[in-house]
Amino acid sequence: NAGVTQTPKFQVLKTGQSMTLQCAQDMNHNSMYWYRQDPGMGLRLIYYSASEGTTDKGEVPNGYNVSRLNKREFSLRLESAAPSQTSVYFCASSVHGRETQYFGPGTRLLVL
Amino acid sequence: GQQLNQSPQSMFIQEGEDVSMNCTSSSIFNTWLWYKQDPGEGPVLLIALYKAGELTSNGRLTAQFGITRKDSFLNISASIPSDVGIYFCAATGANSKLTFGKGITLSVRP
Repeated sequence: NAGVTQTPKFQVLKTGQSMTLQCAQDMNHNSMYWYRQDPGMGLRLIYYSASEGTTDKGEVPNGYNVSRLNKREFSLRLESAAPSQTSVYFCASSVHGRETQYFGPGTRLLVL
Repeated sequence: GQQLNQSPQSMFIQEGEDVSMNCTSSSIFNTWLWYKQDPGEGPVLLIALYKAGELTSNGRLTAQFGITRKDSFLNISASIPSDVGIYFCAATGANSKLTFGKGITLSVRP
């Protein structure tokens, strides 16, 4: 099992460009999550999907959209990137609810 | 809102020493988790605690779910260089929301 995989690993964008971060899990988990990690801020929840077909806002959803494509895949889209979105983005999954989440390796995004 | 407090932000220890980290809150939680993040990687689950008072070990790591349900600690015994990283506590409450502490960066001097 690969667990949680994320692509790309690194990305540089110019302000105003758009991109989609991909996440997939092979653990048959129901719930999936997107976090961003910034120095001194810890992990902050952007969006989550409790089950296939549902998505909900987390703590910092502004500037992002998500799609739960199927049970395995959960993507995060930046429609018009801003320098404030420079961060490390982590995808996570759990069996159900929000306990015991398993994380992917992260995507490092730089917006110039 | 619910907050988890981890301090200090950084800890420096000598190889072979034991180290203890606390995570405290003014709120009650039902589950406590401890994660470690290596540089350039995602957080990895170390220990999960599901019952107040529970004491669980994983190799050189020991963690306890506080009896008041408002705190947890993680002990690392006989530290080694590969213990360096960021240690996060996380907890879920009645609303099932997972809250994270801001993490403690551990450095181990050889």
